[in-house]
Amino acid sequence: GQSLEQPSEVTAVEGAIVQINCTYQTSGFYGLSWYQQHDGGAPTFLSYNALDGLEETGRFSSFLSRSDSYGYLLLQELQMKDSASYFCAVKRGTYKYIFGTGTRLKVLA
Amino acid sequence: GAGVSQTPSNKVTEKGKYVELRCDPISGHTALYWYRQSLGQGPEFLIYFQGTGAADDSGLPNDRFFAVRPEGSVSTLKIQRTERGDSAVYLCASRSDAGQETQYFGPGTRLLVL
Repeated sequence: GQSLEQPSEVTAVEGAIVQINCTYQTSGFYGLSWYQQHDGGAPTFLSYNALDGLEETGRFSSFLSRSDSYGYLLLQELQMKDSASYFCAVKRGTYKYIFGTGTRLKVLA
Repeated sequence: GAGVSQTPSNKVTEKGKYVELRCDPISGHTALYWYRQSLGQGPEFLIYFQGTGAADDSGLPNDRFFAVRPEGSVSTLKIQRTERGDSAVYLCASRSDAGQETQYFGPGTRLLVL
């Protein structure tokens, strides 16, 4: 079977750092993606990790450990506009993406 | 350039009716996906097109659901004999096959079956 687990909700204050974890169990693992979705909006791509390690893109970083079947999204210098849902998605094989249930991030002033 | 567009943005229908949902992907993107998203859940894979062919339709819930992409661009998701449980947001995404991982999502069609 396959499964992805991420926390349902995370709260942090403006300017802080927050980490959203994702653990997965799947066959045919190729990589892990992260998407952001504001209420009523479309998911937007943040990052993709195929290899172990940390990938940094501005205030956002994503980490993958294939041996631990674990990844995380790190958001630094939180801003109010970062309040959204964040989804990890496992890439199974060459084209299929399986999404987690999402983590709702609330950024407080 | 233009992103992925979907029409209609909202669709209200009665149980038992037939609906068609349209997706216009980014020009030149050969890969096209349909997902279904229920409230509080992540996008659920329905079907994947590579060009004109449905390479993987394993996510379609049952034979009431069908999708086509006759010219390798626009795609239509068709739902027959709609049921209340079909109510959800239907998302379309396209991806360039040139080694890119980014899926570009459309705004979705919110389907409500009464």
